[in-house]
Parts: sequence; structure tokens; C-alpha cells
Amino acid sequence: DIQMTQSPSSLSASVGDRVTITCRASQSISSYLNWYQQKPGKAPKLLIYSASSLQSGVPSRFSGSGSGTDFTLAISSLQFEDFATYYCQQSYSTPLTFGPGTKVDIQ
Amino acid sequence: EVQLVESGGGLVQPGGSLRLSCAASGFTFSTYSMNWVRQAPGKGLEWISYISSSGKTIHYADSVKGRFTISRDNDKNSLYLQMNSLRAEDTAVYYCARDPGYCSDISCYGNWFDPWGQGTLVTVSS
Repeated sequence: DIQMTQSPSSLSASVGDRVTITCRASQSISSYLNWYQQKPGKAPKLLIYSASSLQSGVPSRFSGSGSGTDFTLAISSLQFEDFATYYCQQSYSTPLTFGPGTKVDIQ
Repeated sequence: EVQLVESGGGLVQPGGSLRLSCAASGFTFSTYSMNWVRQAPGKGLEWISYISSSGKTIHYADSVKGRFTISRDNDKNSLYLQMNSLRAEDTAVYYCARDPGYCSDISCYGNWFDPWGQGTLVTVSS
């Protein structure tokens, strides 16, 4: 099974900050990496698919990069509505594993 | 509007069974793969099962293999999860999610989860 790790596990930031979250796969997954945002009590929402493709309707301040084993989600200028938990997920092979999540909260 | 609505959750005793449903609307259900993903209280996301658009290819996480069965009825635009031999550790919110990709027996292509349903809570407790 492919294991996914994320760092940091949590971070505190202010509105307007640039934030980056790292995701690492235990083996190469090419660009088969997706990012989701989840707010408390809500279902996850797809932000980025195939490592760097922005899902329709998602603000352009979100971007994804990477390939192989190392990936990054960046938020260029953090907005109040971006405070949430972010998960990466590999879609290279089953089981389709998620990272443990990164909680972004208000500093 | 693309919509997924789960139902069937509730309180069940250990060893019991439950059947979850996911009603799809706003898209051609028969052309998409589907998945079930769960989230235990205060925990992260766990993928548990995949079914191809035709229903011919199915995958399970080891944690549910042999106890859970995924199925679909393309005529009724519905996805199902039959859960047997339930354990306390199965307590979670269960989400269904649409998947534009495809998984063969060996690998997957272009899979992501979008959209998700609102989730249904399954509580396994005596």
C-alpha cells in the first residue's frame, strides 16, 4: 500500500499570509495526487486534481505542484474562508489512501 | 445540479448489519465510477471501497474486505454499501463520492472524488 504523509500537521497563519503544505508518498505516484479542503461538519471539497489542475470554481490563490513522491499545496494569500483542514490523496493505485491532514487555523 | 445524498445510517449493535444508499442526480450516473469514504469522529479520511461505472471492477480497503459489499443500480441512479459484522471501529460518517477515473485490477487512472455527499453517520455500539 502507498502511505501518504503531510507536513506540518497543523499551522497557524494570518489572513494574507502565503501558506504551503507538503505531501509525500511512500513510492512514486507520478502526478496522481489530489488535494481536498474540509471544514468542520462538512464534506470534503476537491481543490486540486492530478497534482496541479485547479478544480472548476476553486479560487486561483490555490495551486498545486510536484510529481513523483513530493507534492505541495500553496495558498498565495490566505483568506478567512480558507481556515480548514487539508488532505492529500493518491490515486495511483488502490487502496486510494489519504494523508493524515493539515489543519490551518487563525494565528 | 450534481448531487449525492446518502441515507441509511444509524445506531447498530456490534455484529449487526446496515445498508447505506447514495442517491445520485444531475449527471449521467452510469458513466462514473463511485467510491465510499469514511471519517471516524475527530479523525481523518479513509477510503473504503470503489466500484467502476459498469460495476464489474470493485476494490475494498483491507479494513472492510469480507464484511462490506459495494454495489450499484444504474437504472435507479443509486450506490449502495452493505455493511455486515459491524465493529465499534466502523463508527464513522460515511460519504459517497463521484469519481471520473477508472481503476483496473492493478492500477488507477484519473481518479478523484468530486462531488461528495453530505455524509451519513453510522454508530456501532451496544
